[in-house]
Amino acid sequence: AQRVTQPEKLLSVFKGAPVELKCNYSYSGSPELFWYVQYSRQRLQLLLRHISRESIKGFTADLNKGETSFHLKKPFAQEEDSAMYYCALTRDSNYQLIWGAGTKLIIKP
Amino acid sequence: NAGVTQTPKFQVLKTGQSMTLQCAQDMNHNSMYWYRQDPGMGLRLIYYSASEGTTDKGEVPNGYNVSRLNKREFSLRLESAAPSQTSVYFCASSVAGGTGELFFGEGSRLTVL
Repeated sequence: AQRVTQPEKLLSVFKGAPVELKCNYSYSGSPELFWYVQYSRQRLQLLLRHISRESIKGFTADLNKGETSFHLKKPFAQEEDSAMYYCALTRDSNYQLIWGAGTKLIIKP
Repeated sequence: NAGVTQTPKFQVLKTGQSMTLQCAQDMNHNSMYWYRQDPGMGLRLIYYSASEGTTDKGEVPNGYNVSRLNKREFSLRLESAAPSQTSVYFCASSVAGGTGELFFGEGSRLTVL
């Protein structure tokens, strides 16, 4: 069965430290993967998608098909990065996203 | 632009009561979705509408019905609420399915006593 696992419910790091939010998935085909973010009092919104190969707000994520992972990384965390982060996957042209349970990231000053 | 608007934001029901969650989007999107989020779990798709005039079941459709009223509006109905339906409900829309970006409403917190 398709599944997305975010092993950390909570991740707390100091400002300026590197951040890595883990996402592992199980899927037999070629998935499309996303990171969504929800800042305090804001709506859930797309952060980045692997097909775009982009860096948003200093975050990057690389799809590792061998390890079936799509970890989110940022070299120097900022306080405004504190939020809930969700990893999700979908097949091509499929309307059904499979979501991880989310990781709460807290950046300490 | 308002984006995706869902109402009500909060609702308390008694077991067996019915209610409808309303969702509207002003982005001319083709696809709309209803998700529920329970503590410690990821979002789970209840129903979706790929385009106006179509609706399909998602992962957890039991106990729910939906109506795609027009291109803008997609409602979710609980005919006979149960405590297991206590959750936060999110409406979302996208230009199309697949790898398109989802735009979310603010969420509706429903408690069934």
